[in-house]
Amino acid sequence: QKEVEQNSGPLSVPEGAIASLNCTYSDRGSQSFFWYRQYSGKSPELIMSIYSNGDKEDGRFTAQLNKASQYVSLLIRDSQPSDSATYLCAAARGDYKLSFGAGTTVTVRA
Amino acid sequence: SAVISQKPSRDICQRGTSLTIQCQVDSQVTMMFWYRQQPGQSLTLIATANQGSEATYESGFVIDKFPISRPNLTFSTLTVSNMSPEDSSIYLCSVERRMADEQFFGPGTRLTVL
Repeated sequence: QKEVEQNSGPLSVPEGAIASLNCTYSDRGSQSFFWYRQYSGKSPELIMSIYSNGDKEDGRFTAQLNKASQYVSLLIRDSQPSDSATYLCAAARGDYKLSFGAGTTVTVRA
Repeated sequence: SAVISQKPSRDICQRGTSLTIQCQVDSQVTMMFWYRQQPGQSLTLIATANQGSEATYESGFVIDKFPISRPNLTFSTLTVSNMSPEDSSIYLCSVERRMADEQFFGPGTRLTVL
């Protein structure tokens, strides 16, 4: 079983819609969770960090964490063509070592 | 976040040779990390590079194949030794932001081994 699993893509959404990305993790010792955005040919860019149960909002992005269910999600509101990228979910135990999911590719249709 | 640079940005190498990748940060950081991203795959941690001590390697990665140096708090190198086509990948360094577990990535080095 992979440590971090993401819902398989690709995910195609119309411009202006909400894109919903899901991630589950197997290690209950995981304490920190991250969403990275990776454009084709570029390195990953950190867009959200979440450490406590509940929601965390930053602009059009909302991260949700449920440690009891070992579940992390990312919502992208008012999706724009510039949001088209691969989104990587990552988890850390507190030792700075990140375990990454396989990624979900999002395409926003204009 | 820190400004991170890597050299070279890409290279094409012959099998059996070695390539050293450099990672430079514009501020002092305690921990630096080296990842590999194979074509179409996610990121896999190779090793953690701490200044003043030997690198800590993850399962499946060994020092003879991926020697790492960390001479100071702003610089690290990763060498890919005795390369084979299976080593063709993007190699990324990252640095952490203290007390937050957050990591920021360099632009990566795209390596092709023929």
